[in-house]
Amino acid sequence: AQSVTQLGSHVSVSEGALVLLRCNYSSSVPPYLFWYVQYPNQGLQLLLKYTSAATLVKGINGFEAEFKKSETSFHLTKPSAHMSDAAEYFCAVTRNSGNTPLVFGKGTRLSVIA
Amino acid sequence: KAGVTQTPRYLIKTRGQQVTLSCSPISGHRSVSWYQQTPGQGLQFLFEYFSETQRNKGNFPGRFSGRQFSNSRSEMNVSTLELGDSALYLCASSLDSVSYEQYFGPGTRLTVT
Repeated sequence: AQSVTQLGSHVSVSEGALVLLRCNYSSSVPPYLFWYVQYPNQGLQLLLKYTSAATLVKGINGFEAEFKKSETSFHLTKPSAHMSDAAEYFCAVTRNSGNTPLVFGKGTRLSVIA
Repeated sequence: KAGVTQTPRYLIKTRGQQVTLSCSPISGHRSVSWYQQTPGQGLQFLFEYFSETQRNKGNFPGRFSGRQFSNSRSEMNVSTLELGDSALYLCASSLDSVSYEQYFGPGTRLTVT
C-alpha cells in the first residue's frame, strides 16, 4: 500500500520568503509523485510530477521539487513567495506501473503575509 | 482545449434522497476518476472508469456508483444520502492510464440536510 504524509497542515511565510512544503511517501514499489494546488472553490491543478526521470523537477509558477529516495521525500519549494501562492497544496503518490489510483496527502494550507 | 466540466456546481439535497453528478472530460481523454473531498478525510478516491468499464474502486459503500458513456462522459450516483455525504466531489480525467497526469474539474459541492 502507498501513503503520503504532509508535515504541517498550515504553513505561513512572508512575501518574498522561501516556501518549503514537506511531503514524505511510503511505497513498496518505485513511485510516481505529484504536487497539486487548489485555490478556493476550484479543483486541483497539477504543479509538477516525478515519473522516474530527473530527480529535480521544475513545475509551473516557479515551484520545484526534489525526489530523494533515501529520505522517501518529495518536498516542494519556491525561492520567493508571492501573495498569489496562497492556496492548499496536495502531494500525491501512485505506483509507476499498472493502473492504480492516486493517494493524496491531507494537504498543507499556505498563507503568504504581506 | 476545454477543461473538465462538472455539473451542477452546487447541490442541496435531503437525507434519504439520491443524487446524480455529471462530468465531461477533456476531449480525447478516456479515463475519468472521481474523488470525494471533505475537511476531515481529505481527498479520497471513489472510482475510475476507462472505456466504459470500472477499472478501480475505492473503499466506499455500494450507495456510491458510477458509469461512463461511450463519449467518455461520466456520472456518479449516490443513493440514500446521509449527512456525511456532504462534500466536494471532484472529477479528474486523464489521457489513458490513471497513473499519469490527471486534470481536475472545479467540483460539485453537495450539501445534505
